[in-house]
Amino acid sequence: QVQLQESGPGLVKPSQTLSLTCTVSGGSINNGGYYWTWIRQHPGKGLEWIGNIFYTGSTYYNPSLKGRITMSVDTSKNQFSLKLNSVTAADTAVYYCARDNTIRGLIMVWGQGTLVTASS
Amino acid sequence: QSALTQPPSASGSPGQSVTISCTGTSSDVGGYNDVSWYQQHPGKAPKLMIYEVTRRPSGVPDRFSGSKSGNTASLTVSGLQAEDEADYYCSSYEGSNTVVFGGGTKVTVL
Repeated sequence: QVQLQESGPGLVKPSQTLSLTCTVSGGSINNGGYYWTWIRQHPGKGLEWIGNIFYTGSTYYNPSLKGRITMSVDTSKNQFSLKLNSVTAADTAVYYCARDNTIRGLIMVWGQGTLVTASS
Repeated sequence: QSALTQPPSASGSPGQSVTISCTGTSSDVGGYNDVSWYQQHPGKAPKLMIYEVTRRPSGVPDRFSGSKSGNTASLTVSGLQAEDEADYYCSSYEGSNTVVFGGGTKVTVL
């Protein structure tokens, strides 16, 4: 079955850019119909939808984060990525990549999550 | 995008039922039948328990059920078991290809 794995630095300095990659295994990212999604969870807090990307490159972002987010997809590597610029301590969270079946929040497949800390 | 409102906690004894609410607006919960519920155990990724308000993915016990009335969706766990102790999150489609989550409810099995 499809599995997702996040990778990237666990520590980012304030004002710099957070960069994460999600590698998809067990299936092709080109398999249309799925929306490749990023979600984060601040320590001890709830889930926050960040945005998603279709394999064609179409993106949809959380309006509260728009302007700081860039998502991209690399179909040749079966990966999709998140960049969040101008990070502050408030961006410290566990970041999950996930697969949405419908763009409407039907998320059956999740990565294990990776903690990113924004600190000097 | 405002988070959906969930009670911070809920509890019940083994075998009892517990119901968790998820309140939004006519622009999200009330406007679409795209409410999902996720279960999250400590240190683990969330797991989909209910989608499209009432549907259960394969493998989810039928003790878990969902419903919706107006702007409020609900998750009911019947016949509570020790392994049901977890955090539960609702989510809803809110149009414009965006999704919003609830703040989460910690369910304790007494």
